[in-house]
Amino acid sequence: NAGVMQNPRHLVRRRGQEARLRCSPMKGHSHVYWYRQLPEEGLKFMVYLQKENIIDESGMPKERFSAEFPKEGPSILRIQQVVRGDSAAYFCASSPRNDLQAGKYNEQFFGPGTRLTVL
Amino acid sequence: DQQVKQNSPSLSVQEGRISILNCDYTNSMFDYFLWYKKYPAEGPTFLISISSIKDKNEDGRFTVFLNKSAKHLSLHIVPSQPGDSAVYFCAASQSSARQLTFGSGTQLTVLP
Repeated sequence: NAGVMQNPRHLVRRRGQEARLRCSPMKGHSHVYWYRQLPEEGLKFMVYLQKENIIDESGMPKERFSAEFPKEGPSILRIQQVVRGDSAAYFCASSPRNDLQAGKYNEQFFGPGTRLTVL
Repeated sequence: DQQVKQNSPSLSVQEGRISILNCDYTNSMFDYFLWYKKYPAEGPTFLISISSIKDKNEDGRFTVFLNKSAKHLSLHIVPSQPGDSAVYFCAASQSSARQLTFGSGTQLTVLP
């Protein structure tokens, strides 16, 4: 039973380039979340998506960042015109469609992360 | 404004002893709390959770205590093992929103 998969695991970009991070949720999960972890900090929520819908993007920077979760294929976090401050670990998590079962709501399963380095 | 705080960046404990990790929160709307464990270069792994209607939840060596009046929760690990050495994150959520709010983490080192 494969867990949450993210690729690439490491990504190096120069300032001004675009970064695309991919996330495949666990089998049977239809909710995807993206978090960012800056050095020496905790994870910060960015966006919550279901298939073809952005549910909550309150943690996304207003510019340069976008996310999608198409009907087919992985969820994509896209960062345009990257800057050095975008260097961080980006984690994707997924949860089941009905995660209110057995009181285990909001239990999210995390992928290994993508470490983005902007030169 | 940090809504979930872990004030101890690090903790060292002798193998076999109890590890106690603490977490405070400020948002009274939080009604579900989770602990995650993270090894370097890996994603967080879910450990244990507790709903605000309870004050204790136990799973093997791990017990989480919730004091709603103090807005404080703690994770007890007993007995501690060297393999428990990792960063532990406290997280909180509101049932009306699915996002998790994380603390900054505590590095636990269990000494053999």
